[in-house]
Amino acid sequence: EDQVTQSPEALRLQEGESSSLNCSYTVSGLRGLFWYRQDPGKGPEFLFTLYSAGEEKEKERLKATLTKKESFLHITAPKPEDSATYLCAAPEGGSEKLVFGKGTKLTVNP
Amino acid sequence: GAVVSQHPSRVICKSGTSVKIECRSLDFQATTMFWYRQFPKQSLMLMATSNEGSKATYEQGVEKDKFLINHASLTLSTLTVTSAHPEDSSFYICSARAQGENSNQPQHFGDGTRLSIL
Repeated sequence: EDQVTQSPEALRLQEGESSSLNCSYTVSGLRGLFWYRQDPGKGPEFLFTLYSAGEEKEKERLKATLTKKESFLHITAPKPEDSATYLCAAPEGGSEKLVFGKGTKLTVNP
Repeated sequence: GAVVSQHPSRVICKSGTSVKIECRSLDFQATTMFWYRQFPKQSLMLMATSNEGSKATYEQGVEKDKFLINHASLTLSTLTVTSAHPEDSSFYICSARAQGENSNQPQHFGDGTRLSIL
């Protein structure tokens, strides 16, 4: 069964304290690994797509990387406005269905 | 671009009421739309996939007579929760995929509807 597992469930950082979020996946024939940001009471907002091991994408303080078994979302010098739940997802093998992880709730304290 | 609008954002109603949620793609044509349900501190769970002009495909365990989905145009899909009960209270989110896009590309999400059944 295809699975996407995120860790940690929750992460508290001080402003400026860099860290990484993990997304491990077991999906046959990976066709893309997606990172989304979700604010409370809102739908997911697309951040990145990664397609192959070794690929990296950056946007402001965020950088996503991909290996054959996991993806990392690195947050450099975070600010309080980076507080949100970060979700990763991948298409289930052989279908259009997206399999989501449970997310990492990030809180950045000023 | 790729904006998805969901309405209403919040609804509170009595048990036994039917509730309709709309999902619109504002600046693109959506051949495929998806409906998700999210419980607190849980992941998004796919309920059904709808293609314009076709019957929706429901995930295992989702009652199609309970959750009616209509995707009559390339910009609108609706989810109707029939005879809603307190256990149907949840956060419902739609997403859409544009013409020409496939599952290798990200879905575009609406802002969700918080449904509370009293």
